[in-house]
Amino acid sequence: ILNVEQSPQSLHVQEGDSTNFTCSFPSSNFYALHWYRWETAKSPEALFVMTLNGDEKKKGRISATLNTKEGYSYLYIKGSQPEDSATYLCAPIGNTDKLIFGTGTRLQVFP
Amino acid sequence: SQTIHQWPATLVQPVGSPLSLECTVEGTSNPNLYWYRQAAGRGLQLLFYSVGIGQISSEVPQNLSASRPQDRQFILSSKKLLLSDSGFYLCAWSVSNNQPQHFGDGTRLSIL
Repeated sequence: ILNVEQSPQSLHVQEGDSTNFTCSFPSSNFYALHWYRWETAKSPEALFVMTLNGDEKKKGRISATLNTKEGYSYLYIKGSQPEDSATYLCAPIGNTDKLIFGTGTRLQVFP
Repeated sequence: SQTIHQWPATLVQPVGSPLSLECTVEGTSNPNLYWYRQAAGRGLQLLFYSVGIGQISSEVPQNLSASRPQDRQFILSSKKLLLSDSGFYLCAWSVSNNQPQHFGDGTRLSIL
């Protein structure tokens, strides 16, 4: 069973600040990791699917890196905006072939 | 384009009553289908997934069951609800595990 940890649990930043979160998981038996953004009153929305060690993905001001050997992924937001406020979920997939979601990092960006 | 519909949006049920939540997907064939639950203060927990009609895998022992009577229809059921069944239920679909999952709008289930 994969134990997925996300940190910090919550984060408050000012508009324009850059920020990053961490997703940690057991490095063995792994083959992909998903990142999702979950805004209040909406459904989770896929940001990235990452499958390779050293993989880097970017979508606008948001980017993510993956280190499968040490078992972590970072999500970066450059120049945070109030509309970035959401819970960010990571979900690695191990040998069970199912997503195991972390509890998320709740980001609030103040104008 | 593909869409996913999940209903109802909210539901209040007494303990011991039955449950049926429905999820349908349009615009794709033979999707992987998933039911998740988020209990208060916890992350998304996978309850059931299906890779085809009549094929259901259960992830955790529980008071719930799932069925896939048609290719793009996924139903979550219970014969007798417990207080612990309260939570937010999400249906999702994907092409494969290496592709993103697409979620419905969710059902907020409150058991009284």
